Order: sequence, then C-alpha cells, then structure tokens
Amino acid sequence: KNEVEQSPQNLTAQEGEFITINCSYSVGISALHWLQQHPGGGIVSLFMLSSGKKKHGRLIATINIQEKHSSLHITASHPRDSAVYICAVRLGGSRLTFGEGTQLTVNP
Amino acid sequence: EAGVTQFPSHSVIEKGQTVTLRCDPISGHDNLYWYRRVMGKEIKFLLHFVKESKQDESGMPNNRFLAERTGGTYSTLKVQPAELEDSGVYFCASSRPGLNTEAFFGQGTRLTVV
Repeated sequence: KNEVEQSPQNLTAQEGEFITINCSYSVGISALHWLQQHPGGGIVSLFMLSSGKKKHGRLIATINIQEKHSSLHITASHPRDSAVYICAVRLGGSRLTFGEGTQLTVNP
Repeated sequence: EAGVTQFPSHSVIEKGQTVTLRCDPISGHDNLYWYRRVMGKEIKFLLHFVKESKQDESGMPNNRFLAERTGGTYSTLKVQPAELEDSGVYFCASSRPGLNTEAFFGQGTRLTVV
C-alpha cells in the first residue's frame, strides 16, 4: 500500500465545473506538494503546503495535518486544466514520496 | 532564471546497451534529485545529491545504475547494461539549500529499452 493515496484516479468534468482532488497520507510529514504534469510535459509545482490553505488563481489547496489529508480544488475548470495532478509529501528527509496521480480531463 | 533541463528528452536503446541521462539543475541549487516513473506506477525516488555528495541513494534499484555529480553542478545517471524493466520516465529535480525548500522539476527523459 502506497504511503500517499490519491482519489479519484481519473476524473472527467465539463468546462466550468468545480473540481476536487483528494490526497491522504499515512505518516507525519513536513510538507505536501501538489504537482501538475501535462501530456508529454514536465512536472510543474503548483503548491507547497505545511498547514492551512493556499490560493493561486483558480487553484486552491488545503491541508488538514490532524486528519492527514489534503485537497486540490479547481474553480471554473477549463480544458487547458486537463493534466495529471500529483500529490507528493516530504516524510522527514528532503525527498518526495508521490501518489499515483489523478488524470483530469475537462471537456469543452 | 533557466529551469531544470534534462537531455535527451527521449532515448530508445536495445537491451544490454548503455544510456547516460543528464540533468542540469537551476544554478545555486545544491539539492539535486533523481526520480523515475515506470509505466502504470507512481513516481519513485532514486537518489539525492547535496552538491557533489550522495546524500541518499536508497532508491537506486541495483548496481546497473550509477549517478554522478562531479563538481556539484550537472548530474548524470548511467544505466549499464539496460534491461527492459528500466523503461520509464526519469525526472530530475533541484532545490535550494536546506531540507524543506521547493523542488523544481525538469521535463524528464523518456527511456525505452527494447
């Protein structure tokens, strides 16, 4: 069992919908990252969180340390948001441990 | 500033051959990481350099993999001899000195062993 679990694995939405991707982890962490990977592209860091909530444009990330859970929200989704979204955590050292990713498809 | 660059972007080699992947981190980033995504699985850690020193190489799958970072700048990851199960996407990431600094990723190298 992976130490980082994401849900759903696949998500299809219509343009304009509100999207939530969830991430749960099993041990204490020092930080959690949300990453984005477009098809054929590299990985882009969206957020790094250790507590609370962060917002950047239409993206919002929250984390609940007590519940070992984080969510990534996309408001007013757009086809260009289609990508793989990956949750990754720092378990104590500086290396990252990754979830399997969520494939998001936003249809026009 | 220039981002993390990796090359080649794609490599197709035959089983038993040698391949060398290269990563140029962001200037001033002492931390350099190699990660790998094998088809259908999550991205997994391979190793971590701090400057030229290997800080953690616990993720290296076996002794066919050799990573170097001479001079603490760019890094190479050599696979010799390559096996079919080595196919995947190899990512490099770098970050500023310290433990909890943001990581910046390269575009990845897609390696296919046939």
